[in-house]
Amino acid sequence: AQSVSQHNHHVILSEAASLELGCNYSYGGTVNLFWYVQYPGQHLQLLLKYFSGDPLVKGIKGFEAEFIKSKFSFNLRKPSVQWSDTAEYFCAVRESNTGKLIFGQGTTLQVKP
Amino acid sequence: GAGVSQSPSNKVTEKGKDVELRCDPISGHTALYWYRQSLGQGLEFLIYFQGNSAPDKSGLPSDRFSAERTGGSVSTLTIQRTQQEDSAVYLCASSLDRSLLFFGSGTQLSVL
Repeated sequence: AQSVSQHNHHVILSEAASLELGCNYSYGGTVNLFWYVQYPGQHLQLLLKYFSGDPLVKGIKGFEAEFIKSKFSFNLRKPSVQWSDTAEYFCAVRESNTGKLIFGQGTTLQVKP
Repeated sequence: GAGVSQSPSNKVTEKGKDVELRCDPISGHTALYWYRQSLGQGLEFLIYFQGNSAPDKSGLPSDRFSAERTGGSVSTLTIQRTQQEDSAVYLCASSLDRSLLFFGSGTQLSVL
């Protein structure tokens, strides 16, 4: 069965610091990968996705992620975080036959102004 | 509506009571998914519908949990004889072609 592991459970940064959130998945075949964000009191929103092609994927709000097949990784990055990036971030892999998403445990990001 | 709609947004119930949670997917979306979000547990998959059938029920935690979908649209998740550990946010998502999921705002269930 596929699984997703997010290494950082709680990250605290100051504004303007750089961000990298780790995500590893366990599946050797073709993968579709996602990062979702959940701002306080809001529903899950798609940040970015990787299906194929350029392994460096750019999403909304200045986020990007790099798919490294050899490392089974899909880490999320942002060069300079803002207080408004405070949220919970979820990495997910898509199961191809059903389309269901397998999520990691999530990483809570707290950005101090 | 424009998005996935879930009702109620909050539900408080007593231990042992049955509850029904409703999901209205985006119009035309044939795939529908239920997830549970608990503190410290992340997002757990519960069940997947394609049309009115549920080819994947592997995430339902016990036989107290069931779900149905009618008319290829609205879905209801039923929890019988609720327990305190059922307290969580129950999320519904729908998809047109199973490639991208769109999530609702969830139902916060509290079992006292």
